[in-house]
Amino acid sequence: NAGVTQNPKFQVLKTGQSMTLQCAQDMNHNSMYWYRQDPGMGLRLIYYSASEGTTDKGEVPNGYNVSRLNKREFSLRLESAAPSQTSVYFCASSDDREVTEAFFGQGTRLTVV
Amino acid sequence: EDQVTQSPEALRLQEGESSSLNCSYTVSGLRGLFWYRQDPGKGPEFLFTLYSAGEEKEKERLKATLTKKESFLHITAPKPEDSATYLCAVQTINDYKLSFGAGTTVTVRA
Repeated sequence: NAGVTQNPKFQVLKTGQSMTLQCAQDMNHNSMYWYRQDPGMGLRLIYYSASEGTTDKGEVPNGYNVSRLNKREFSLRLESAAPSQTSVYFCASSDDREVTEAFFGQGTRLTVV
Repeated sequence: EDQVTQSPEALRLQEGESSSLNCSYTVSGLRGLFWYRQDPGKGPEFLFTLYSAGEEKEKERLKATLTKKESFLHITAPKPEDSATYLCAVQTINDYKLSFGAGTTVTVRA
């Protein structure tokens, strides 16, 4: 099984450019998440989706939008990138029918110049 | 507001030198506490889930314990391959999202 797959792995953007980070999971999980990870700050939740068709803001949603395209896919969009959005982005998924671990993708390293 | 605090931020150990990492949490109602390991350039990898105070889980040289206010990750006789950042996360009864601590970076020297 591939688990959670993120694309791209690396990206450099200029300030003001837009892009979409792709995430797909093949574990039939209901819940999916987008986190960003910055040095010394741990993983901070941007948005999450408890089920297909629903999305909710996390701790740091400003400057981002998400789409839960179907049960497998959850995308994160930066409409107008800013240097403060330079970070490593992780997508994760979990089975919310029980208390169980979240599975993470390999991350997207984004630099905004 | 849910809070998760990990200490220390960094830990340097000699091979074979046992130690413990701390994760203290303040949540409205705990559904589960998770420990993850993260290697440089990779996503977090699941280690343990703890559900209630008094529970313990073990895996190789790692042992996780839980009280009502904190969790400990004990590393017994560590090896260089145990070098990683260890992350603690909590899931509350209110929803399914995970709240993470900032992590403890462990370096084990041969």
